[in-house]
Amino acid sequence: QVQLQESGPGLVKPSQTLSLTCTVSGGSISSGGSYWSWIRQQPGKGLEWIGYIHHSGNTYYNTSLKSLVTISMDTSKNQYSLRLRSVTAADTAVYFCARLSGDSFDFWGQGTLVTVSS
Amino acid sequence: EIVLTQSPATLSLSPGERATLSCRASQSVSISLAWYQQKPGQAPRLLIYDASNRATGIPARFSGSGSGTDFTLTISSLEPEDFAVYYCQQRTNWLTFGGGTKVEIK
Repeated sequence: QVQLQESGPGLVKPSQTLSLTCTVSGGSISSGGSYWSWIRQQPGKGLEWIGYIHHSGNTYYNTSLKSLVTISMDTSKNQYSLRLRSVTAADTAVYFCARLSGDSFDFWGQGTLVTVSS
Repeated sequence: EIVLTQSPATLSLSPGERATLSCRASQSVSISLAWYQQKPGQAPRLLIYDASNRATGIPARFSGSGSGTDFTLTISSLEPEDFAVYYCQQRTNWLTFGGGTKVEIK
């Protein structure tokens, strides 16, 4: 059973960089055809795909966030990470990491709330 | 970008009733459509993938149908634990989610 766990600061100041890490257990992020993803949910709102990284290292980002987002992976730690630059209050959200298998997300982390505030 | 429109926004039903949720795509997604259930404070849970396949461990009362632009999630007889928000998602053209349907207790 694949398990994912997000970690990182719960509070980020405006204009700074949000950094989160997803630790994967029960499966290797460097094998298979899965895409390792980040999704967020603003308070009381729906789900927004941020981007994902393939085990090959190829990345794909939501066009609305592309210029501000970087997703990277550390296969030695079986982790992947999200960096979102120049954050504003609109980036306050619960951030989920999830595995995309085929065309759907079959395993999710529990989510972590990140608040952007001075 | 493909826009997914879910309807209704809210569905008020009683336990034991049948729930029918709709997801309409702005252009064809073939069968590349998934459904998720989300309860407050929890991550979404995959229910249906490829339009009509139940994910592992999902009860048979959940079924999905459709192709192209029109999709339906049906819950044949609502159990108390089924009251939640449901999202559809496509990956044919980038990746987008619908706005959600809340199934609430009447």
